[in-house]
Amino acid sequence: GQQLNQSPQSMFIQEGEDVSMNCTSSSIFNTWLWYKQDPGEGPVLLIALYKAGELTSNGRLTAQFGITRKDSFLNISASIPSDVGIYFCAGRGDDKIIFGKGTRLHILP
Amino acid sequence: NAGVTQTPKFQVLKTGQSMTLQCAQDMNHEYMSWYRQDPGMGLRLIHYSVGAGITDQGEVPNGYNVSRSTTEDFPLRLLSAAPSQTSVYFCASSTGQGGREAFFGQGTRLTVV
Repeated sequence: GQQLNQSPQSMFIQEGEDVSMNCTSSSIFNTWLWYKQDPGEGPVLLIALYKAGELTSNGRLTAQFGITRKDSFLNISASIPSDVGIYFCAGRGDDKIIFGKGTRLHILP
Repeated sequence: NAGVTQTPKFQVLKTGQSMTLQCAQDMNHEYMSWYRQDPGMGLRLIHYSVGAGITDQGEVPNGYNVSRSTTEDFPLRLLSAAPSQTSVYFCASSTGQGGREAFFGQGTRLTVV
């Protein structure tokens, strides 16, 4: 079945640093999505990408839909304490949305 | 708008009991789906529906049943709960056209003892 490989699994960074995480798959997706989950909450959509090569920003967040349609990355610039959480990539083929295992972001004081 | 509403928020079951997790959305979305979230495993798709009367299996469907009699509701049934079904369950909905992102409920934390 379809699987997404998300890396890294976790990151420890200093406040103010930039962050980069990515997802790859052996399958082609029509849509790539990036979500953030805070403790005790459901995932919340950060960025949606609909076309191969698309580069989209949402404040300090930037994400790209890979040309091959099999990968995507998310960058966070100038991290702040509220960026702490779990970030998930998700790919949508026809009807199903499949999720990666998440990247847990820690920000060191 | 309430968005996606899940009930209950917490539930403890004994092994072998049955129960239904409720999910309702008021956005007139065609697509609805159920995921379970376990530590280190991300979100795994259980079942999904592309419209009323249509359901299909996801990655981990065993032990769960679903039905979609209306656009708004998509209940998840556990017929005979097992400890392996202890998890956090999320319901999501999305449109079939244009924006294809999924919107999530707050989750149901289920413990099977």
